[in-house]
Amino acid sequence: KNQVEQSPQSLIILEGKNCTLQCNYTVSPFSNLRWYKQDTGRGPVSLTIMTFSENTKSNGRYTATLDADTKQSSLHITASQLSDSASYICVVIRLGGGATNKLIFGTGTLLAVQP
Amino acid sequence: ETGVTQSPTHLIKTRGQQVTLRCSSQSGHNTVSWYQQALGQGPQFIFQYYREEENGRGNFPPRFSGLQFPNYSSELNVNALELDDSALYLCASSLSGGASQETQYFGPGTRLLVL
Repeated sequence: KNQVEQSPQSLIILEGKNCTLQCNYTVSPFSNLRWYKQDTGRGPVSLTIMTFSENTKSNGRYTATLDADTKQSSLHITASQLSDSASYICVVIRLGGGATNKLIFGTGTLLAVQP
Repeated sequence: ETGVTQSPTHLIKTRGQQVTLRCSSQSGHNTVSWYQQALGQGPQFIFQYYREEENGRGNFPPRFSGLQFPNYSSELNVNALELDDSALYLCASSLSGGASQETQYFGPGTRLLVL
């Protein structure tokens, strides 16, 4: 079954600290993996896109890693800011096929950054 | 901002009523996907429209229907509303039928509450 699991479900950190969010998937065939940031009540915004051959990709203070062998990804946030408080969703895209079951969403990690 | 707009932003309906949600895709995008996101959950795929034709459908009953116009904007219609239809409804636009490497750009969502 195609699934994406994220951990932790929620996380509270102090402003300025680093944190790492985890994503494990069983999606096949794999095309690419994306991390989205979703502010409360808003639509998700893409942070990174990683293909099978990419191990690391950065976008400012966000760094995503991908291990296609173990089917694991992580999102590392450096020097957190209050504006980082949001839900972070891992999405795995299946290769080929139609639109149905193309994007497999995780349930997200809710991050709260406190002053 | 992703260039994808949705209206209305919030909506309150009662059971049994019908609702129409609207989405304007990013300029040049010919594909619109609709998602339902319950509180604390990841988005669930409803259906996708590519060049005015339905291009895939998730596990939603027929009372969820859609439409895409020649300018690629789209509508989501839900008939006979049920309490469980209360959710954030997201639309996402992309190019080329949502090919694997294409990023989907999400709108801000419409928050629907069914009483």
